[in-house]
Amino acid sequence: EVQLVESGGGLVKPGGSLRLSCAASGFDFSTYGMNWVRQAPGKGLEWVSSISVNRSYIYYAKSVKGRFTISRDNAKNSVDLQMNSLRAEDTALYYCVREVGGLKKYSWFDPWGQGTLVTVSS
Amino acid sequence: YELTQPPSVSVSPGQTARIICSGEKLGEKYTSWYQQKPGRSPLLVIYQDNKRPSRVPERFSASNSGDTVTLTISGTQATDEADYYCQAWDNSAFWVFGGGTKLTVL
Repeated sequence: EVQLVESGGGLVKPGGSLRLSCAASGFDFSTYGMNWVRQAPGKGLEWVSSISVNRSYIYYAKSVKGRFTISRDNAKNSVDLQMNSLRAEDTALYYCVREVGGLKKYSWFDPWGQGTLVTVSS
Repeated sequence: YELTQPPSVSVSPGQTARIICSGEKLGEKYTSWYQQKPGRSPLLVIYQDNKRPSRVPERFSASNSGDTVTLTISGTQATDEADYYCQAWDNSAFWVFGGGTKLTVL
């Protein structure tokens, strides 16, 4: 069974840092791009960051560029999101998602993890 | 790049629900659709415009034309009540989601 399990969420003060992790299992992790998508309470989905299989291509949403860093360890089947200079508007449920389909424009997201909650508040 | 969806759509049980997603030249891109029920993670229902994962009922379909793509749910059931999001890749904005549409079955 393909499974993605996020961890690392919690309460952090504005300006603080947090590192999210996603443990993947049930598939050949090293052959799939991975993404982070977030959802603020009561709001829609917002894509955050994407990393290719060999880390050659990394993308960030404008809202997090320069503050967040995505990384992956194919040996450990994991993908991380280092979040610095956190703001109240970063408060959200963060999902780890597998990207399927090869080239970006042909791809889709499946499956999604259960999410880990990040709350930025003083 | 932006994808626009209506905030809400209502449909009677057994009828056909249509959810539109619009964006510039969206018909030239591949679109995916996700279903999200309260308290649950999103679930893929359509990919590459009109392909359906095997676990998704046949009543889910999609089509695209010009600047719009349409998710169609035929014979809508109460269990289809959920939020639906469209998604596409743009070379400048990267991955983009629509704002989501709340489907109410009443």
